[in-house]
Amino acid sequence: GAVVSQHPSRVICKSGTSVKIECRSLDFQATTMFWYRQFPKQSLMLMATSNEGSKATYEQGVEKDKFLINHASLTLSTLTVTSAHPEDSSFYICSAARGSTGYTFGSGTRLTVV
Amino acid sequence: SQQGEEDPQALSIQEGENATMNCSYKTSINNLQWYRQNSGRGLVHLILIRSNEREKHSGRLRVTLDTSKKSSSLLITASRAADTASYFCATADNPGNTPLVFGKGTRLSVIA
Repeated sequence: GAVVSQHPSRVICKSGTSVKIECRSLDFQATTMFWYRQFPKQSLMLMATSNEGSKATYEQGVEKDKFLINHASLTLSTLTVTSAHPEDSSFYICSAARGSTGYTFGSGTRLTVV
Repeated sequence: SQQGEEDPQALSIQEGENATMNCSYKTSINNLQWYRQNSGRGLVHLILIRSNEREKHSGRLRVTLDTSKKSSSLLITASRAADTASYFCATADNPGNTPLVFGKGTRLSVIA
């Protein structure tokens, strides 16, 4: 079946540094990728929608200059958390839209900023 | 924004008992999906129920949908300790094309 490979699964970084999270569709083309954030004991909140070859659309309250999304190819979408701070510590997960087939989720990235 | 509420927010039961989780949503839907998430892990798709369906079964799972009340329920029968996880309902305006919007979820603990 369709797989979205998300890396890294866990990352610890120092405050002020940047972290890149990759989501790669392995056996299908992902024209649209959704990025979610999940704080402990909370639900998944949509951060942004990325479409291949165009600028991402961000949800209200999500800083586009802090969470850089690149979707340069049909198989790769990346989320870069720039100048990370402890409050950015969260679980980040991507989801590829697959039309009538539904959605395929990555396995998530646990980001801890120290 | 989240689609709606789920209740209970947390549920603790003994192994072998049934667990029922409820979800309400706000807008018209084409389908409603239920997902499971083990602590700190990714999502597992459990079941999808279409707007013209009232009930659907998959193994020990039973999902109902009441579009007049904009609500759905997930029943897990004969629960096992391995069922311990968070369960979310989710809907999308245009399934497969627009993002899923998740409910707040129910944290289920099954005690052996």
